[in-house]
Amino acid sequence: GAGVSQSPSNKVTEKGKDVELRCDPISGHTALYWYRQSLGQGLEFLIYFQGNSAPDKSGLPSDRFSAERTGGSVSTLTIQRTQQEDSAVYLCASSISVGNQPQHFGDGTRLSIL
Amino acid sequence: DQQVKQNSPSLSVQEGRISILNCDYTNSMFDYFLWYKKYPAEGPTFLISISSIKDKNEDGRFTVFLNKSAKHLSLHIVPSQPGDSAVYFCAAMMDTGRRALTFGSGTRLQVQP
Repeated sequence: GAGVSQSPSNKVTEKGKDVELRCDPISGHTALYWYRQSLGQGLEFLIYFQGNSAPDKSGLPSDRFSAERTGGSVSTLTIQRTQQEDSAVYLCASSISVGNQPQHFGDGTRLSIL
Repeated sequence: DQQVKQNSPSLSVQEGRISILNCDYTNSMFDYFLWYKKYPAEGPTFLISISSIKDKNEDGRFTVFLNKSAKHLSLHIVPSQPGDSAVYFCAAMMDTGRRALTFGSGTRLQVQP
């Protein structure tokens, strides 16, 4: 379909391993966002990209988290040396631009750290 | 510090009646507000939004009302249908600075047939 696509849908890994989560935004959307929802918690902002501007990383919880957006389209969220508290659903969203525009979400990656 | 609050964790209504979901916010810099619906194992689905220059926005069965002085918004669904049963999130965005969404904790709506 034409929606936001995320992969993998589920990821189980051992504590201490690195993981990469991928997001394909809606075609033509210049803004891309990462959020996460931990068990029993609300959705928490992590990082967003707008066009070629420097990303807003203010929501990243630690320096183990990083994200890239190549060619203004696909984005990868990387978590290094995973910890059990990183277990959550990681959601990606995109919008036509940054500003008063609705963000459209993918179905997320459920990450479980053993 | 929760800047967006949904104080009712759950709501149950009869099919055909009105559902009213409420949301309060504390940050006066928020100027764009959205409602999302979420089914289990799916991402949030955008429903309706409102800019702070308006006090009402309608889209079919969904209407959002904004009371800026009270820092309160509500989502009305009428008539409610069993398929509307889901978790509803209120979200807000600032007019400057960080352009990400701040979400409430959600309200689980159950529409009884």
